[in-house]
Amino acid sequence: DAGVTQSPTHLIKTRGQQVTLRCSPKSGHDTVSWYQQALGQGPQFIFQYYEEEERQRGNFPDRFSGHQFPNYSSELNVNALLLGDSALYLCASSLRGLPVYEQYFGPGTRLTVT
Amino acid sequence: DAKTTQPNSMESNEEEPVHLPCNHSTISGTDYIHWYRQLPSQGPEYVIHGLTSNVNNRMASLAIAEDRKSSTLILHRATLRDAAVYYCINNFGNEKLTFGTGTRLTIIP
Repeated sequence: DAGVTQSPTHLIKTRGQQVTLRCSPKSGHDTVSWYQQALGQGPQFIFQYYEEEERQRGNFPDRFSGHQFPNYSSELNVNALLLGDSALYLCASSLRGLPVYEQYFGPGTRLTVT
Repeated sequence: DAKTTQPNSMESNEEEPVHLPCNHSTISGTDYIHWYRQLPSQGPEYVIHGLTSNVNNRMASLAIAEDRKSSTLILHRATLRDAAVYYCINNFGNEKLTFGTGTRLTIIP
């Protein structure tokens, strides 16, 4: 079992550009959540996808959007990048209905905006 | 989710027990107390959780105060691999985890 995988590992973008990050959930999982972790801070919840729909959303602007595919994998898109978007982006997968601690995180994608 | 308060950092000697405290004075009666840790260059991983009674698993023990306003994560014999940021989270059935800044644990060889 490969666990949760994310790509790419690292990414450098310029302010104003757009970026797409990808996540493959752990085998058997159907729900994907995305978190942003700024340097020295804890992860902050962006949104969650289940059955290809956004189910919950944290306090993030509309520049942050996502998608879930029929195979449960997910993408996080960020438009009009700002310097403050530089962070580690974490994906977590789970199976709907199971306790919150049955949520597994990937290693993250480190995004640097210059 | 209720707010939790943890020390920014702690140090411990290798092979000694470590007690990581967490205050959660506004915890509701139905909130569980979860602990996660984040090893360097990795995503967070679940450590342990409890509601009212003390809990043990293969990774750690969780001691919960009688009034539930605080808890302590206990690593019985710290190793260098336990160096990480430890997060205490109150949560009830919500798949959205609310992380604070956690405690950075340094293990001294």
